Amino acid sequence: DVKVTQSSRYLVKRTGEKVFLECVQDMDHENMFWYRQDPGLGLRLIYFSYDVKMKEKGDIPEGYSVSREKKERFSLILESASTNQTSMYLCASSLSEWTYEQYFGPGTRLTVT
Amino acid sequence: AQKITQTQPGMFVQEKEAVTLDCTYDTSDQSYGLFWYKQPSSGEMIFLIYQGSYDEQNATEGRYSLNFQKARKSANLVISASQLGDSAMYFCAMREYNNNDMRFGAGTRLTVKP
Repeated sequence: DVKVTQSSRYLVKRTGEKVFLECVQDMDHENMFWYRQDPGLGLRLIYFSYDVKMKEKGDIPEGYSVSREKKERFSLILESASTNQTSMYLCASSLSEWTYEQYFGPGTRLTVT
Repeated sequence: AQKITQTQPGMFVQEKEAVTLDCTYDTSDQSYGLFWYKQPSSGEMIFLIYQGSYDEQNATEGRYSLNFQKARKSANLVISASQLGDSAMYFCAMREYNNNDMRFGAGTRLTVKP
């Protein structure tokens, strides 16, 4: 069974803090993704990575950075958290072919106060 | 530009009836895949069904089928014999040959009434 895990289910941070969200997959997938999910907006792609140390911006990269030092791990970093980054963050992984589905982690609900 | 459009924010269906959730997409690629996911209140994303752009037949998976109309660029999800457990958010998504990413629509919240 493919498993994607995220470091926290719930997280509360203060404005200005640096926040790390970790994602690990155990199926040797090439691609990994970070989305944020907000009501009425669906899932919006923040960043994705198609290989170790490779990354590409998604639709809403502002205020975020990512790191992929190992194939199984993809980190999302909020350099200076702001209240408008309060959201549900979903990590996903997949094989690189366009015919394959993504597998999702359970999500991290981040609240920035 | 919005690549996936789901025009129904919310839908209601009576238990045991069929329901269609709409999805239209926009791409210039000839090779692409269309996916539907279910997200119950627990928050997990569950993959339901896939349709490839070259598939001539509509995809089916149990009670789920995909009404694929390529010329109209639509990929509607049909759920037959609705059950109470089908109440959830449903997302349509697309992967293109020339892109590594996957793009999602805004989702449709389906409520099944007993």
